[in-house]
Amino acid sequence: GENVEQHPSTLSVQEGDSAVIKCTYSDSASNYFPWYKQELGKGPQLIIDIRSNVGEKKDQRIAVTLNKTAKHFSLHITETQPEDSAVYFCAASRRQNFVFGPGTRLSVLP
Amino acid sequence: NAGVMQNPRHLVRRRGQEARLRCSPMKGHSHVYWYRQLPEEGLKFMVYLQKENIIDESGMPKERFSAEFPKEGPSILRIQQVVRGDSAAYFCASSPGQASYEQYFGPGTRLTVT
Repeated sequence: GENVEQHPSTLSVQEGDSAVIKCTYSDSASNYFPWYKQELGKGPQLIIDIRSNVGEKKDQRIAVTLNKTAKHFSLHITETQPEDSAVYFCAASRRQNFVFGPGTRLSVLP
Repeated sequence: NAGVMQNPRHLVRRRGQEARLRCSPMKGHSHVYWYRQLPEEGLKFMVYLQKENIIDESGMPKERFSAEFPKEGPSILRIQQVVRGDSAAYFCASSPGQASYEQYFGPGTRLTVT
């Protein structure tokens, strides 16, 4: 079955700097890759996603890149703000059930 | 447009009791998914349901756990004879249908077994 790894497990950046989180997946048939942001005590919130027929997608300060050959995808957050502090999860899917990475705890220091 | 709703938000059960977790999908969504999250871990898929049908239950333990999504009313995740290892956050997500990949999550139910 699918296995998703995510790095780093924790990440601290200064406000205004960029943050990059990377994920790798094992199943070459996976074709949908969402990213979720989870704040303490809340449910995961979909922030951006990408399908396997696209290499890059951007939404304001957030972008995702996908390398199908290498089976990895990355989340890029530019001009980070304290409210970006949260746990971020990547996921991979080729059917309806997502396989999630273990998460990255991002801290944006003011 | 209301999001995915889950209740209760917190549930405390003693070992051996039953836990019932409810999920109402977003309006217009007919697909429901249940995930479990242990402390400091990612989410693990449990079961995928459509109205009156279980589509994929490959992530759900064979014993004590069951799920349903009736024609009317919320989806229910039922855990019988709870044990301490069942303590976790249980999240429900919904999506509009098979053509749509996006899943939108509810706030979760935090189950504590004492």
